[in-house]
Amino acid sequence: RKEVEQDPGPFNVPEGATVAFNCTYSNSASQSFFWYRQDCRKEPKLLMSVYSSGNEDGRFTAQLNRASQYISLLIRDSKLSDSATYLCVEMMDSSYKLIFGSGTRLLVRP
Amino acid sequence: SAVISQKPSRDICQRGTSLTIQCQVDSQVTMMFWYRQQPGQSLTLIATANQGSEATYESGFVIDKFPISRPNLTFSTLTVSNMSPEDSSIYLCSGKQGRYGYTFGSGTRLTVV
Repeated sequence: RKEVEQDPGPFNVPEGATVAFNCTYSNSASQSFFWYRQDCRKEPKLLMSVYSSGNEDGRFTAQLNRASQYISLLIRDSKLSDSATYLCVEMMDSSYKLIFGSGTRLLVRP
Repeated sequence: SAVISQKPSRDICQRGTSLTIQCQVDSQVTMMFWYRQQPGQSLTLIATANQGSEATYESGFVIDKFPISRPNLTFSTLTVSNMSPEDSSIYLCSGKQGRYGYTFGSGTRLTVV
């Protein structure tokens, strides 16, 4: 079983739509999670950290459910510029290594 | 956050040769990592680059194939040795500052022919 699993998509949504991605993780002891965004042929960039209490940044909301071991990302009012691959990432607290999910591809159409 | 300059950005190499990739950070980072990203896939950690000592490799990666140096807190190199077409991939370095401050280099797109 992969440590971090994501639906690869693609999610194809119209502008203005709300879209949600989920990610599951296998290490119940892990404490730190992130969502990264990767544009085509570019390096990953941090989108937001994920907290149990929820984390909202404008149109983006991230949530961690420890009981079910999943992480979610909600994007409201999708923009064309949101088209990218979204990577769910687990940080190993003892070694600080980042473990990446396979990524979920989002396509926002006009 | 730190800015990482990675070079070369791309290269086409003959099989059996070696390529060294460099990452220079504009400020000190506590940890540096090297990743591989194969076409259409996510990032796989190759190793943690340790300053002044041997790197720590992940399962499936060995020092003879991917020797890594990290002479100080702002610089690291990864060499892809005795290359084969299966090594064609994007290689990325990453630096960590503070608890959650991870930055990535822009990647090296390697094609082995």
